[in-house]
Formats: sequence, C-alpha cells, structure tokens
Amino acid sequence: QQQVKQSPQSLIVQKGGISIINCAYENTAFDYFPWYQQFPGKGPALLIAIRPDVSEKKEGRFTISFNKSAKQFSLHIMDSQPGDSATYFCAARRNNAGNMLTFGGGTRLMVKP
Amino acid sequence: DAGVIQSPRHEVTEMGQEVTLRCKPISGHDYLFWYRQTMMRGLELLIYFNNNVPIDDSGMPEDRFSAKMPNASFSTLKIQPSEPRDSAVYFCASSLAPGSNEQFFGPGTRLTVL
Repeated sequence: QQQVKQSPQSLIVQKGGISIINCAYENTAFDYFPWYQQFPGKGPALLIAIRPDVSEKKEGRFTISFNKSAKQFSLHIMDSQPGDSATYFCAARRNNAGNMLTFGGGTRLMVKP
Repeated sequence: DAGVIQSPRHEVTEMGQEVTLRCKPISGHDYLFWYRQTMMRGLELLIYFNNNVPIDDSGMPEDRFSAKMPNASFSTLKIQPSEPRDSAVYFCASSLAPGSNEQFFGPGTRLTVL
C-alpha cells in the first residue's frame, strides 16, 4: 500500500524555470515531511523538511508548501539549474514510529541548459 | 565523520548463491535502516533497528532475507538463496534518536543476481 503518492514521475524544466513536485498522503498520524535529493550513483540526502504546524518553509531556492486540510505538500525549486537534475523523493514519518519514513515513488528531474 | 559505509559497492552473483551486504552506521546513531531501491517499486524500507534491536521487519520480502546488528557499529543484510528478482540497489541509513529526524544514507550496494 503506497501511503505517500508522488507526481509527476519525471519532469523536464528549462534552466531558470520553476520545478514543482507534488505529494499526497492519507495517514493523519504523519508528523514530519522531508524531501530527499538523490544524484545518480549516490544515496538520497535530506534537502528540506517541514512539520504540519506551518504552511511553508523556504531554504534558498527550495520551498515546501504544505496543505494540512488537503493532506498534500509540494516542493518548489525556483530558478532551476542543471545541477538540480536529480531524483527527488518526498517522505512522511508517523509520530509513533521512531524515525521510520515512508517514501513517495520519486520524481526524476532534468533541468535543460 | 566518514558517513555511512556500505560494502561491497557492487555485487554480481548467480541465482541460488548467498549474498551478504554490510553496513557501518555513523558513530553515535541509534537507528539503522535497510532500504531496497528498484525502478518498479521505488525506495522500500526493509527493516530498521533501534539500539541494535530489530523494531520493524514488515518490509522484508520473504524468509530468504535476514538482517542482523550484532553491535552498534555493524549490520548485515543477508539473502539466501538469492534470486534474479532480488537485483536492486540496497541502501543502509542511520539516524540519531528521536528528536533528530534526518536519515543519513550510505552510497548503496548494487546487487545483480544472474
């Protein structure tokens, strides 16, 4: 059962454009929503994360928007750069499950120069 | 810190053989996770440990898979016997006790079962 649904599976954006990746969840027990970035041949690495008590978090060119009532959250990459080309995973953690994360299916982003 | 260390980085084996993947977590981290990544199923959690004790192994696909953590600095994931459908990249990750939510992933082991 996929508890975190991610879309799109792949995304092509021109350099300087905005990349938007969306995730939806069903389990209201989730209390922490990170995004991980994975480059080819590497393990995923934490990019940015948000808790459900805020609606937006921004770090540099990366912003998470969170809609608790809709149970949706999204990653926005402003001024996308070729170096941002990677696979992005959203994830969610249950509040009584240690640090166990449930990952979305991943989005392969390509930023064209 | 060297980060999470996994070995081997690549493993090619024949169907029916035993495969052992190894992981050294970041020193001081209390949680250790084993994941499997495939194109079809994405990133799946197989099992995780807290203070060397297995907490949730519901993601282990079948009895051919087993994982151990004999001490705080070492864990193994064993597949016996291996099958072609086990071909995937296997990641180990570690994190601090609750309160620090970031999981640090190793570089992964790419397993090919012929």
